[in-house]
Amino acid sequence: EVQLLESGGGLVQPGGSLRLSCAASGFTFSSYAMSWVRQAPGKGLEWVSVISGSGGSTYYADSVKGRFTISRDNPKNTLHLQMNSLRAEDTAVYYCAKDRGKVGATSLDYWGQGSLVTVSS
Amino acid sequence: EIGMTQSPATLSVSPGDRATLSCRASQSISSNLAWYQQKPGQAPRLLIYGASTRATGIPARFSGSGSGTEFTLTISSLQSEDFALYYCQQYNTWPPALTFGGGTKVEIK
Repeated sequence: EVQLLESGGGLVQPGGSLRLSCAASGFTFSSYAMSWVRQAPGKGLEWVSVISGSGGSTYYADSVKGRFTISRDNPKNTLHLQMNSLRAEDTAVYYCAKDRGKVGATSLDYWGQGSLVTVSS
Repeated sequence: EIGMTQSPATLSVSPGDRATLSCRASQSISSNLAWYQQKPGQAPRLLIYGASTRATGIPARFSGSGSGTEFTLTISSLQSEDFALYYCQQYNTWPPALTFGGGTKVEIK
């Protein structure tokens, strides 16, 4: 059974940093690209970033480019999202999601339960 | 960026009836479209990918159609567990930049 479990969310001040993690199990982690998708309170879904199965390719939404960094530790089956220079508009539930493919970003067939990030003073 | 527009925003349907949800892309995305279902407090669930292929474990009452810029998700006979939010999402861009529609809420009539 595929499982994705996020951690690391919480309350942070504007300009601060936070690191999210996503522990994966139930599939060959290194064979699939992984994405982060966020959802602001009461709003729709916004894709944030994707990393290839090998970790060699990363892509970001314009809204987070230069501030967020996606990475993965394949031996530990873990995905990370380092978030710096956080803004109020980054407040959202952050989901990690498994892609159906190994490279790029396509459709997301498994999702974690989400981790809430609140940016507020 | 490819914009995705879903209509209607809210769809009121009686249990057992058919629901038809629409999704339009701002430019052609071939068949690179997925549909997701989201219930309150839960993560999204993949229903359809490739515009018309059901994901693992998705009941046959869910079907997707379309290509290019116009897509449809049809729920043939609504069950109580189908009342939820539905999002479409395109994956036709390179470098990758997934975009989601604004969602359609299917509510009980």
